[in-house]
Amino acid sequence: DSGVTQTPKHLITATGQRVTLRCSPRSGDLSVYWYQQSLDQGLQFLIQYYNGEERAKGNILERFSAQQFPDLHSELNLSSLELGDSALYFCASSPSQGDQPQHFGDGTRLSIL
Amino acid sequence: GEDVEQSLFLSVREGDSSVINCTYTDSSSTYLYWYKQEPGAGLQLLTYIFSNMDMKQDQRLTVLLNKKDKHLSLRIADTQTGDSAIYFCAEYNNNDMRFGAGTRLTVKP
Repeated sequence: DSGVTQTPKHLITATGQRVTLRCSPRSGDLSVYWYQQSLDQGLQFLIQYYNGEERAKGNILERFSAQQFPDLHSELNLSSLELGDSALYFCASSPSQGDQPQHFGDGTRLSIL
Repeated sequence: GEDVEQSLFLSVREGDSSVINCTYTDSSSTYLYWYKQEPGAGLQLLTYIFSNMDMKQDQRLTVLLNKKDKHLSLRIADTQTGDSAIYFCAEYNNNDMRFGAGTRLTVKP
């Protein structure tokens, strides 16, 4: 158990819809990272938050957004969903701004029908 | 190249040693990691090495780092069927974490 909790584990929805994925980091970790894992793109870094502020941005689409709340949990919002958004979405956390190992949650599997 | 590169597949017999290789992109990367992903699960941090080290050993795992060639390897001694998984190497540099595509290790009894 990494200590990173993601909900829900599975999500099935339709094109055009909007979903919210939730992540609770390990106790004491201030940084949260979001990744997308798909068969054709591999593991792609989306975005990082540190102590409530956006810290780094990767290959995140404009239809996607995230935030980190004062209690340090984070949400990833995916809107105007397309079939190609079907993937595993992972959250990871680390104690500080990224120079320490990241610990991953078990992911949310998003299926777009 | 721009990508962290790994072989996609490796098959070994139970009890043999496994060596998974990785070539990373940036000689100034400060940390290099190995993660393990079992089916239906997230990435589990196995071990990591600082860029000023050449080798790190942790029980059955040995990590070797060749900075000149930007080459990282993970050796698993006495490989067991429970080691079957996908292994990802990753490099961290300046707020950028890059993962390889993963090596699928199959351990045959």
